[in-house]
Amino acid sequence: DIQMTQSPSSVSASVGDRVTITCRASQGIYSWLGWYQQKPGKAPKLLIFAASNLQSGVPSRFSGSGSGTDFTLTINSLQPEDFATYYCQQTNTFPLTFGGGTKVEIK
Amino acid sequence: QLHLQESGPGLVKPSETLSLTCTVSGGSISSNNHYWGWIRQPPGKGLEWIGSIYFSGSTYYNPSLKSRVTVSVDTSKNQFSLNLTSVTAADTAVYYCARSGNYYYFDHWGQGTLVTVSS
Repeated sequence: DIQMTQSPSSVSASVGDRVTITCRASQGIYSWLGWYQQKPGKAPKLLIFAASNLQSGVPSRFSGSGSGTDFTLTINSLQPEDFATYYCQQTNTFPLTFGGGTKVEIK
Repeated sequence: QLHLQESGPGLVKPSETLSLTCTVSGGSISSNNHYWGWIRQPPGKGLEWIGSIYFSGSTYYNPSLKSRVTVSVDTSKNQFSLNLTSVTAADTAVYYCARSGNYYYFDHWGQGTLVTVSS
């Protein structure tokens, strides 16, 4: 299985900050990576697919980059509604696997 | 607007079978280029993909669960289902059903249902 490792596991930030989350794959996955946002008690929501493509309806302050093994999710100008847990997912190889999550908390 | 809704028992006894159904509305489960999957999340933990199915019946399973999992589809009811046999406390989780496209990103999710394994 491809292991997905996210860092940091949590980050404290203020409204207006830029937040960067990293996801590393245990082997190359080209650009087959998605990012999800999950709020407490809710289902995950797809933000980014194919490493850098914004899902329809997702604000442009979210962006993704990377290829191969190293990927980044950036949130520019953090908004109150962005405090949540973020997960990466690789879709290069079965089984589909997710990172352990990064919780973005209010500083 | 596509809507997915999980249904099934919230409590299952150890060694028994967990059975859940996902009802799809606002769209056809037989649409081309979409797969239908199950993902679970133990309380306070991360996401684990269980398996996915195409309307034709082609299935893909997580090897860690493959010996215990069956995912099936009923196109006449616009539903797909999950059976997980021989459950233990480790199978306690919120179970989500979700739709993905050809590249297996999950773009529509059900609200999730908590299944507790306990006697």
